[in-house]
Amino acid sequence: EVQLMQSGAEVKNPGESLRISCKGSGYSFPSHWIGWVRQMPGKGLEWMGTIYPGDSNVRYSPSFQGQVTISVDKSINTAYLQWGSLKASDSAIYYCARQWGTTTRQDYNLFDPWGQGTQVTVSS
Amino acid sequence: QSVLTQPPSVSGAPGQRVTISCTGSSSNIGAFYPVHWYQHLPGAAPKLLIYDDINRSSGVPDRFSGSKSGTSASLAITGLQAEDEADYYCQSYDNRLSGWVFGGGTKLAVL
Repeated sequence: EVQLMQSGAEVKNPGESLRISCKGSGYSFPSHWIGWVRQMPGKGLEWMGTIYPGDSNVRYSPSFQGQVTISVDKSINTAYLQWGSLKASDSAIYYCARQWGTTTRQDYNLFDPWGQGTQVTVSS
Repeated sequence: QSVLTQPPSVSGAPGQRVTISCTGSSSNIGAFYPVHWYQHLPGAAPKLLIYDDINRSSGVPDRFSGSKSGTSASLAITGLQAEDEADYYCQSYDNRLSGWVFGGGTKLAVL
């Protein structure tokens, strides 16, 4: 069974750094893109960025470029999302999801399955 | 403001049929990018329902169906059940933004 397991909830102070993780299992981790999606309280889903574990190629949404860093350690089938200096507005649930498609076109990709989500709370 | 526009909410009685629209533009749905639909139950991870406009994901009942025309797509749910109460999101790709985009989400209430 294809699964993505995310790290647990975090409570941080503004200005602190944070890295959350997403571990894949049940499939060839290096061969499938992993995307990160944010859900702010009471809001919808927003694509943040996507990484290809095979070569660590990353694509960022313009809205998140420079705000977060996406990385991967394919030796342990794990992708990461990190912040250098958290703000209160970073409080949200963050999901990772495997991206794949029925064609070779990456832009046709969907998100499936999803991790269980990581709640990040930033408050002083 | 989402690139893909969905109604904030829809509702229906058990057994009825509802549709959820997803309106895009010439840089996403109108550019022939496929539309995918997700169901997001409270406290759970989003789940793929429909992929490539019309195909049901494994295990999804045939009460759920997708369609697309021009710059819009729709998700239809027939024979509404209480367990269908959830948020529903459409997703596609936008070549102007060079990235994947989601609709704003639609909350389905089963009355």
